[in-house]
Amino acid sequence: DTAVSQTPKYLVTQMGNDKSIKCEQNLGHDTMYWYKQDSKKFLKIMFSYNNKELIINETVPNRFSPKSPDKAHLNLHINSLELGDSAVYFCASSPIGLSSATGELFFGEGSRLTVL
Amino acid sequence: QKEVEQNSGPLSVPEGAIASLNCTYSDRVSQSFFWYRQYSGKSPELIMSIYSNGDKEDGRFTAQLNKASQYVSLLIRDSQPSDSATYLCAVNHGGSNYKLTFGKGTLLTVNP
Repeated sequence: DTAVSQTPKYLVTQMGNDKSIKCEQNLGHDTMYWYKQDSKKFLKIMFSYNNKELIINETVPNRFSPKSPDKAHLNLHINSLELGDSAVYFCASSPIGLSSATGELFFGEGSRLTVL
Repeated sequence: QKEVEQNSGPLSVPEGAIASLNCTYSDRVSQSFFWYRQYSGKSPELIMSIYSNGDKEDGRFTAQLNKASQYVSLLIRDSQPSDSATYLCAVNHGGSNYKLTFGKGTLLTVNP
């Protein structure tokens, strides 16, 4: 049973379209994140939510809108897609922020977005 | 100065050798330090965490932390071809409990 699952795994779309990525974790964690990994493999935080509350918004364009309906789900909606949005988007979770014993982030498998 | 810096590599070592990966960070307030391994096309997975100055060993892996020098390293002893991956250094930059900042990663290749 997958701990952090994201759908879809692949998206190919045209510039200007809107797309969503869904994330669910069954680990009982309080904190969830979205990270973006670009073509050079640089992994950069976008958002973090703790128990449905937005904690970190890392100067992401407002075309990106996260939504957390409950602490097990964190979705990402992207409006008016641009070429530069092409990347792998990783959802992750951790027990209580990073203050748990290991501070480990549990990552989903990633969603590869290609904007044409 | 970048928040978390690593040599991008690639670092190539022969099988059985010691691989040494280095990372520096800019914020002295940072308290938690991690090494993640990412195989090509896969998601990152935690291999080591370290919070105190000194060495921490786990099997073939040793993490070293020097807060005065703002330096953290990972040694992999008896390197195996299966260790070939990108190694990401991560720091809770600014002491945040909700933001883990990653370096750009070092690509390690272990040659049989």
